[in-house]
Amino acid sequence: NAGVTQTPKFQVLKTGQSMTLQCAQDMNHNSMYWYRQDPGMGLRLIYYSASEGTTDKGEVPNGYNVSRLNKREFSLRLESAAPSQTSVYFCASSRRTGSNQPQHFGDGTRLSIL
Amino acid sequence: KQEVTQIPAALSVPEGENLVLNCSFTDSAIYNLQWFRQDPGKGLTSLLLIQSSQREQTSGRLNASLDKSSGRSTLYIAASQPGDSATYLCAVEAGTASKLTFGTGTRLQVTL
Repeated sequence: NAGVTQTPKFQVLKTGQSMTLQCAQDMNHNSMYWYRQDPGMGLRLIYYSASEGTTDKGEVPNGYNVSRLNKREFSLRLESAAPSQTSVYFCASSRRTGSNQPQHFGDGTRLSIL
Repeated sequence: KQEVTQIPAALSVPEGENLVLNCSFTDSAIYNLQWFRQDPGKGLTSLLLIQSSQREQTSGRLNASLDKSSGRSTLYIAASQPGDSATYLCAVEAGTASKLTFGTGTRLQVTL
């Protein structure tokens, strides 16, 4: 049971470089989410996709873009990385919004921007 | 804006003790409250979900309660074990998009 798979697990970038974080789930979930986790701040929602074909901004969307490629995959792109985007990024999925079912999380991508 | 607070930030207890972790939230208009466990370098694992109409949920040695009117939840861990050492996060789900708002967690260490 793979659940939610994130790639890569680690990445170091230079300021101004771009990259895409990949996320895939095999639970046939409708909703997917991207969070970042910073020390002392808890997890904060970047973007989410309530269903295939839709995406919406979360609490901290600036500097990021997302693509819901299909029902399984939801990617997060940094167009021009900045040191403030150094963080651990988590992807999550759930059956659907308002379902009262827990979100399932991947193991995270640890991103450092120099 | 919803805010979630967890107290204490860190806790160390000897093996076998019963313990309580606290979570408070500012807006009672929630769908549910969720408790997660996070091991170092890992993602979050769901422990318990309490719907807004429920008062508590139990799973093994874990019991979570919810008092929506006062904006509080507790996670009770019975007979703690070294394997319980981890960070415990609570989160409330609310809004049309079922967004989760997280606390900053309680880091628990259970010593031999």
